[in-house]
Amino acid sequence: EVQLVQSGAKVKKPGESLKISCQEFDDTFTNHWIAWVRQMPGKGLEWMGSIFPGDSEVRYSPSFQGQAIISVDRSLRTAYLQWSSLRASDTAVYYCARHIAWKDPLKSWGQGTLVTVSS
Amino acid sequence: QSELTQPPSVSGAPGQRVTISCTGSSSNIGAGYRVHWYQQLPGTAPKLLIYDDTNRPSGVPDRFSGSKSGTSASLAITGLQAEDEADYYCQSYDTGLSGSGVFGTGTKVTVL
Repeated sequence: EVQLVQSGAKVKKPGESLKISCQEFDDTFTNHWIAWVRQMPGKGLEWMGSIFPGDSEVRYSPSFQGQAIISVDRSLRTAYLQWSSLRASDTAVYYCARHIAWKDPLKSWGQGTLVTVSS
Repeated sequence: QSELTQPPSVSGAPGQRVTISCTGSSSNIGAGYRVHWYQQLPGTAPKLLIYDDTNRPSGVPDRFSGSKSGTSASLAITGLQAEDEADYYCQSYDTGLSGSGVFGTGTKVTVL
């Protein structure tokens, strides 16, 4: 099974910026999608958006358009999720997950990154 | 906001059968998009349980099965075991969300 390794937990203050990562250890990094999923404390899973590393196409869920930016560095086999100005409501665990084609299931998941935003 | 609705909780005694519904609409399940199911044990990342409506990945016990009809899908767990106590989510895609992926509201399964 493909391994996705995410960056460690972060504690930030409101208004600060942040970039978290998801590194894939597989030669097929550019041939499938990487999705980002949010899980707020005690809540369900929410699809934020997905990126195709092959051409950097990003598709955002309308609810998350403009809230955070998804990007990729093909040379590092790493996908990123970043915020320019965090809010307390961004406190959540963020998962990356891989899907081969656009409508395919999320077969491999990262371990999750806890982001805490608090003054 | 989720476009797929699940019951908040279901429960059953060991050995019993429980089912979890996932109700969508004509823009997601009813549009022909496949449904996938995930199991999330406490404090862990979700794990793919059922894909493409009815298929089990290698290693998933055959106690888990999926079905789909019209604008709804279901996950059944037969021979319920203590280790099945977890949160379960359905997932599909939605034309009304620019084709984005969408998760169900989630169901907590409790083994009595």
